[in-house]
Amino acid sequence: AQSVTQLDSQVPVFEEAPVELRCNYSSSVSVYLFWYVQYPNQGLQLLLKYLSGSTLVKGINGFEAEFNKSQTSFHLRKPSVHISDTAEYFCAVTLYSSASKIIFGSGTRLSIRP
Amino acid sequence: DGGITQSPKYLFRKEGQNVTLSCEQNLNHDAMYWYRQDPGQGLRLIYYSQIVNDFQKGDIAEGYSVSREKKESFPLTVTSAQKNPTAFYLCASSTGQSSGNTIYFGEGSWLTVV
Repeated sequence: AQSVTQLDSQVPVFEEAPVELRCNYSSSVSVYLFWYVQYPNQGLQLLLKYLSGSTLVKGINGFEAEFNKSQTSFHLRKPSVHISDTAEYFCAVTLYSSASKIIFGSGTRLSIRP
Repeated sequence: DGGITQSPKYLFRKEGQNVTLSCEQNLNHDAMYWYRQDPGQGLRLIYYSQIVNDFQKGDIAEGYSVSREKKESFPLTVTSAQKNPTAFYLCASSTGQSSGNTIYFGEGSWLTVV
């Protein structure tokens, strides 16, 4: 069975500091990887995704993530955060073989301190 | 603008009542999904539909029902059999043709049992 683990439920950082949100997955088959962001009382929107090719993926709002197959990780990073990055971030995977099988992590709440 | 519209944004339900949450998309997507979101638990799949007049149960379908009579509409009924319905409900859609495709989310609906 596939699973997604977000190791930190909450991550507090100071404004303009770097941040890394961790995501590990478990799957016996090939997967695609996604990061979504959810602002308060809103739906989720796509930050970035890894389908193939370069393992370093750049997304919106200055975020990037690196796919590490050997460590089964897809950590999200930003070199300098802003107050507006305060949100919940979800890692997700889909199977190559099934478009309907989307597995979300439990989310990481990023809070930015001025 | 293209997107997914959920209504109502806030809904209150009395014990024993059925309520229906609306979801409409104008993205011409084949696949539509309903997720439930509870604090600290991420998103859990209730039902999904890959084509008109067809739908499948997700991980937590008990106490819920759906229909897919039109491509653009996928309403969710929360029945009185759902013992703990208070949650944030998210509708989503995708082209469904590849598991690497992005899922697009609506703004969500809050359901509270009073």
